[in-house]
Amino acid sequence: GESVGLHLPTLSVQEGDNSIINCAYSNSASDYFIWYKQESGKGPQFIIDIRSNMDKRQGQRVTVLLNKTVKHLSLQIAATQPGDSAVYFCAESKETSGSRLTFGEGTQLTVNP
Amino acid sequence: DSGVTQTPKHLITATGQRVTLRCSPRSGDLSVYWYQQSLDQGLQFLIQYYNGEERAKGNILERFSAQQFPDLHSELNLSSLELGDSALYFCASSVDFRSGGETQFFGPGTRLTVL
Repeated sequence: GESVGLHLPTLSVQEGDNSIINCAYSNSASDYFIWYKQESGKGPQFIIDIRSNMDKRQGQRVTVLLNKTVKHLSLQIAATQPGDSAVYFCAESKETSGSRLTFGEGTQLTVNP
Repeated sequence: DSGVTQTPKHLITATGQRVTLRCSPRSGDLSVYWYQQSLDQGLQFLIQYYNGEERAKGNILERFSAQQFPDLHSELNLSSLELGDSALYFCASSVDFRSGGETQFFGPGTRLTVL
């Protein structure tokens, strides 16, 4: 079935570097995308979202890019900090299915001091 | 803190038993979602309620059921438990699902262990 998948299961970066976490989705009808951060033992924490009528959205230290042509989503984290170490999930939904989210597999980000 | 609360935090039970997981959405949120997170399946959508009514069903087993009460809290009932039901169960809430794409905020989860 259609699903959202991640390119890499792990990503290791140095503190202060920029991080880029990628996500591929297969459902071209998806119209809403969202990134969550999940720390060990906690629930997913909202980071940033984007609708399909946009190709870029910025938040505090984070930017989400959406490329609908190749069905690709990315999360950029500027000046990565040790507190950013977590598993990052992308998720997608489409309006006709209500707001149910289909999650990707997750990328483990490790920030080395 | 997302504002979504879940109880209990941990639950250990035996096969064949029945348990109830409870969720209180953020103040003002009308929509509640349940997700299951297991090592081999990742985060999977189970079911959604909006203002007391079931709105969408995902990969929810027939042994599982849920409801949303007039005060908008929700309960997920898991019966005839099997070892494979061991997982983290998350509740999320959003203001209004109807417009689509409403941000879902997740609770801390209930870790269920079936022995």
